[in-house]
Amino acid sequence: EVQLVETGGGLIQPGGSLRLSCAASGFTVSSNYMSWVRQAPGKGLEWVSVIYSGGSTYYADSVKGRFTISRDNSKNTLYLQMNSLRAEDTAVYYCARVNWDNWFDPWGQGTLVTVSS
Amino acid sequence: SSELTQDPAVSVALGQTVRITCQGDSLRSYYASWYQQKPGQAPVLVIYGKNNRPSGIPDRFSGSSSGNTASLTITGAQAEDEADYYCNSRDSSGNHPWVFGGGTKLTVL
Repeated sequence: EVQLVETGGGLIQPGGSLRLSCAASGFTVSSNYMSWVRQAPGKGLEWVSVIYSGGSTYYADSVKGRFTISRDNSKNTLYLQMNSLRAEDTAVYYCARVNWDNWFDPWGQGTLVTVSS
Repeated sequence: SSELTQDPAVSVALGQTVRITCQGDSLRSYYASWYQQKPGQAPVLVIYGKNNRPSGIPDRFSGSSSGNTASLTITGAQAEDEADYYCNSRDSSGNHPWVFGGGTKLTVL
């Protein structure tokens, strides 16, 4: 079964750091485009970052310079390192596989990140 | 930057047909994908490509596109279809790889 499971969310103070993990099963992370998408409370979906199978990475302007996407091929796991966190980063963070360069499936169950003092 | 625009809310009577639309320049070059999200749950892909449904998605869901507008049609809406629906596509502006619409809340009356 193809599945993604995110972990690592929690309550963090502004300016702090957090690393999210997304463990994949049923497929190989390094052979696919893998992305992070977030959803602020009561808001819509916002694309955050992607790592291509070749290793190239891209970020939304809102997180560029603060967030880093990476993967561990031996653990078949995707990561999102989030630094200099702000209140506006508060959201549920989902990881998802990007298929054929265009659609996101499957999605993980999401992990909540709350940035607050 | 490129944007995808959706109506914030749409309603449909039980058993009737409803169309949810998504507008944006990117849709002139790329197909839209559609996602269903129920409260407290992760998004679920319902339509991708020209008009493809993942396994397990009922055939009452269909997709179409014309010019800069993509549409998700639910033929014979059911109570369980009440949810938020989001479109997404590649971003043709080149600013970012992908863009999502703001979402449409579907109410089944």
